[in-house]
Amino acid sequence: DIQMTQSPSTLSASVGDRVTITCRASQSISTSLAWYQQKPGKAPKLLIYKASSLESGVPSRFSGSGSGTEFTLTISGLLPDDFATYYCQQYKSYSWTFGQGTKVEIK
Amino acid sequence: EVQLVESGGGLVQPGGSLRLSCAASGLPFSVYWMTWVRQAPGKGLEWVANIIKQDGSEKYYVDSVKGRFTISRDNAKKSLYLQMNSLRAEDTAVYYCARFIEGAGMDVWGQGTTVTVSS
Repeated sequence: DIQMTQSPSTLSASVGDRVTITCRASQSISTSLAWYQQKPGKAPKLLIYKASSLESGVPSRFSGSGSGTEFTLTISGLLPDDFATYYCQQYKSYSWTFGQGTKVEIK
Repeated sequence: EVQLVESGGGLVQPGGSLRLSCAASGLPFSVYWMTWVRQAPGKGLEWVANIIKQDGSEKYYVDSVKGRFTISRDNAKKSLYLQMNSLRAEDTAVYYCARFIEGAGMDVWGQGTTVTVSS
């Protein structure tokens, strides 16, 4: 099975900061990667698919990059609404896996 | 409006069974891959199972539920199901159903249904 490792597990940042979250795959997944945002008590929300494509309706301050085994999610200009937990997910194989999550906290 | 609504969660004893349902509205259900994802209390997301053909003939499961859980779909009823047998304490979680767009991720999610396995 393909393992996904996110870093950091927790990130403390201020409003207006640029933040970057990294996700590494245990083997190449090409660009078969999605990023989700989850707030407490809510279902996840799709932000990015195919590693760098922005889901419709998602603000342009969110961006994704990478291919193969290393990927990043960047939030340019953190807003109060962005404090949440973020997950990467691979769909290269039919057995999908999520990263363990990165919680973005207010500094 | 595209919507998924889960039901069927509850409290069950270890070794027991439960059947979760997910009703879809506002979308042409039969053409989409569907999936179940769970989240244990205070933990991250875990993919559980997916069904990737319209006729329900191709299914995949996370290792920890193989042989115990069965995913199925009824396209006429626009519904997805998860039959869970031999439940364990570690199956306690919020279970979400989601639509998966091939090559693009899970773009529509339900609100989740809570399963608690405890004596």
